[in-house]
Amino acid sequence: DAKTTQPNSMESNEEEPVHLPCNHSTISGTDYIHWYRQLPSQGPEYVIHGLTSNVNNRMASLAIAEDRKSSTLILHRATLRDAAVYYCILRPYSGAGSYQLTFGKGTKLSVIP
Amino acid sequence: DVKVTQSSRYLVKRTGEKVFLECVQDMDHENMFWYRQDPGLGLRLIYFSYDVKMKEKGDIPEGYSVSREKKERFSLILESASTNQTSMYLCASSRSRTLPGANVLTFGAGSRLTVL
Repeated sequence: DAKTTQPNSMESNEEEPVHLPCNHSTISGTDYIHWYRQLPSQGPEYVIHGLTSNVNNRMASLAIAEDRKSSTLILHRATLRDAAVYYCILRPYSGAGSYQLTFGKGTKLSVIP
Repeated sequence: DVKVTQSSRYLVKRTGEKVFLECVQDMDHENMFWYRQDPGLGLRLIYFSYDVKMKEKGDIPEGYSVSREKKERFSLILESASTNQTSMYLCASSRSRTLPGANVLTFGAGSRLTVL
């Protein structure tokens, strides 16, 4: 399975942008890039996903490198509610492995008031 | 919004007891999943189901079984609980079998099980 590498932790000041990096150098052409986050004492929550093009939604933006070997989750203005563990995950678009979502250790984001 | 409801947030059971963890989703999703989450190990897939009465083993199915008699309900069963099954259990669902890798998973709040 293609794996991802993320920093263990990051800090951000409140109301500043946050760029969370993810390396996935062994990504295959059929892998979607998914981001989830997990707030304390809650289940993971979907943030965003993409295949090749950059994506935006109400929560965040996803910037995907041209060679797809890395991606960056962008929170445009961090709030205290954004303090969570962020997971970058690869999923093949079909086949048996596509049903699984393999979570690594993620990046723990701390937001400083 | 899709809602995934897990029946119990906290359970305490004794070694050898049979444990049922129930999960219900209210948006007609085809796929349902059970994960466990342990510190330092991330989330690990136990079982998943892509249709009623269908089940597939995940990465760590040993010691667990599942039941999906109705589309909206997916149960995780520990036939004889052991202390190494103390964990946070997370249920999730996703919409369809078409391009499942593009599907978004919606998770429940989790059930923290302690086996004494």
